[in-house]
Amino acid sequence: GAGVSQTPSNKVTEKGKYVELRCDPISGHTALYWYRQSLGQGPEFLIYFQGTGAADDSGLPNDRFFAVRPEGSVSTLKIQRTERGDSAVYLCASSSIAGAGELFFGEGSRLTVL
Amino acid sequence: RKEVEQDPGPFNVPEGATVAFNCTYSNSASQSFFWYRQDCRKEPKLLMSVYSSGNEDGRFTAQLNRASQYISLLIRDSKLSDSATYLCVVTYNNNDMRFGAGTRLTVKP
Repeated sequence: GAGVSQTPSNKVTEKGKYVELRCDPISGHTALYWYRQSLGQGPEFLIYFQGTGAADDSGLPNDRFFAVRPEGSVSTLKIQRTERGDSAVYLCASSSIAGAGELFFGEGSRLTVL
Repeated sequence: RKEVEQDPGPFNVPEGATVAFNCTYSNSASQSFFWYRQDCRKEPKLLMSVYSSGNEDGRFTAQLNRASQYISLLIRDSKLSDSATYLCVVTYNNNDMRFGAGTRLTVKP
């Protein structure tokens, strides 16, 4: 597709479960960003990839969160032992030029932890 | 101090009004600055980049003050369709991009 694709669009899980969220960026975009957004708040930075490597993962809240981008395209955000506080919309964005180009966002994955 | 701080509003203005939003950032090494717009339950979209000399796009004017680490957005002749949340975005370490909490604008007839 032409835009950033995120799956699933909605995920409901129970506390303690493992969750994977997938992001398929715009073809050719080398920079990929993950954010999470709670109601009434701005997007909170989690991690940023330049190619296959994580250029900055300082936003990951704790070691339950991990993200990969093994081939420099699709990325997966992984959350272990989910907690109710993890409930949010997880947004993925890609850009052709890190830090200078426009960020193109997917529609987000809404995670609800019961 | 947060990396990017914005007045959350809400700003409620009548059609035709001029409204200004402010944003401050903490990293003096930041190089790129943007304003994004986010409609309710939608993803953010780029409104405009902010250049050192200031720039204008139709009814929208953006200003940057590096000395004060301050960015502004001015909207003239507000339209109903301008109602949205406006997000200030600043590059941080290694070109990652940090968002402010957003300023909510409602334009009323």
